[in-house]
Amino acid sequence: NAGVTQTPKFQVLKTGQSMTLQCAQDMNHNSMYWYRQDPGMGLRLIYYSASEGTTDKGEVPNGYNVSRLNKREFSLRLESAAPSQTSVYFCASSPARGTQYFGPGTRLTVL
Amino acid sequence: RKEVEQDPGPFNVPEGATVAFNCTYSNSASQSFFWYRQDCRKEPKLLMSVYSSGNEDGRFTAQLNRASQYISLLIRDSKLSDSATYLCVVNPYNFNKFYFGSGTKLNVKP
Repeated sequence: NAGVTQTPKFQVLKTGQSMTLQCAQDMNHNSMYWYRQDPGMGLRLIYYSASEGTTDKGEVPNGYNVSRLNKREFSLRLESAAPSQTSVYFCASSPARGTQYFGPGTRLTVL
Repeated sequence: RKEVEQDPGPFNVPEGATVAFNCTYSNSASQSFFWYRQDCRKEPKLLMSVYSSGNEDGRFTAQLNRASQYISLLIRDSKLSDSATYLCVVNPYNFNKFYFGSGTKLNVKP
């Protein structure tokens, strides 16, 4: 049982490049989330998806887009990366009422 | 005002000590509360949920004070392995959104 998986684990981009962070869960959870974590800031919600086919903005959505491809997968896209998007990105999933389970994170550096 | 606030610490305690953290939340309609543990450069992991009546899991006790809008975590008989950052998490009114505190760092020393 893999839980929540994320790819890639590490990524270095140049300003203006685009990339997609992948997330998948095998726990049959309805809800999925993308967070970023910066030093001293805690986790901030970028986007979430309450169920397949729906997505909503979180606290810091600017510069990001998401796709809930199916119940298992929720991807995060940076169309034109900026140095301010250097961060650790965590994907999480949760059942309808309950706690969140996190993936191992993606460490992104934008030069 | 932040949704969830925590003392960043660090709390430096000797092995065997008892230590307590508090976390305040701003939305009185908050429904669900959790403590997560995060080790350096790792993903957060659920430590325990916090129930209205309080709950205990081994050396860990969590309490909720709705009147004063805070939750607490008490760790008894601290172990070296308890060294981590403890995140307070609150679900204000929508089960699809969770707000995280910035974390309290605990260092347990031999």
